Amino acid sequence: AQSVTQLDSHVSVSEGTPVLLRCNYSSSYSPSLFWYVQHPNKGLQLLLKYTSAATLVKGINGFEAEFKKSETSFHLTKPSAHMSDAAEYFCVVSGGVLTGGGNKLTFGTGTQLKVEL
Amino acid sequence: EPEVTQTPSHQVTQMGQEVILRCVPISNHLYFYWYRQILGQKVEFLVSFYNNEISEKSEIFDDQFSVERPDGSNFTLKIRSTKLEDSAMYFCASSATTGTGGNEQFFGPGTRLTVL
Repeated sequence: AQSVTQLDSHVSVSEGTPVLLRCNYSSSYSPSLFWYVQHPNKGLQLLLKYTSAATLVKGINGFEAEFKKSETSFHLTKPSAHMSDAAEYFCVVSGGVLTGGGNKLTFGTGTQLKVEL
Repeated sequence: EPEVTQTPSHQVTQMGQEVILRCVPISNHLYFYWYRQILGQKVEFLVSFYNNEISEKSEIFDDQFSVERPDGSNFTLKIRSTKLEDSAMYFCASSATTGTGGNEQFFGPGTRLTVL
């Protein structure tokens, strides 16, 4: 079984300050981990993914995440928030095992990021 | 850049009616998925599809639901007799491969289903 826990349902930051969105995962296998972003009335866009290569993963729009196996964490960070970063962010885990038929994604409950002037 | 498309963007139906949600996955992808997001809740996996058959389904995906790839491009989700609790945003996704390193799923913009 696999699951993710997003520790904050809402995060509010000022523009230009760092962003930290926290995620802990649980997986029986070596997982693949993702962060997706959902802007209002838009679909889900992949920000970045971890698939057992480098533990520090860089994504789009200046975001990055670090896979820490000892802490079972995959927190999302950005050095300087921009107004356009305001959206909902989902931490997602996939089984990471070749099944031959597709791997379902298990989503966290989401973190709503608010960026203030 | 290739993308997943979904139609319609919004569907309103009466309880008990059948609905078909349509998706066009990215053309060279082989794995297809449906997810749903009830308002205010998290995104939930419904079903995955590969090689013209269901490879995995969740508890939500009961006998009222079915999926089909009727031709080389479309992937559909049918709900036979809609219930109020089926109201949700339905997302289609596709991926080129599975397993470590390649199972990035690309999502469509979603179809908002409203059951009255």
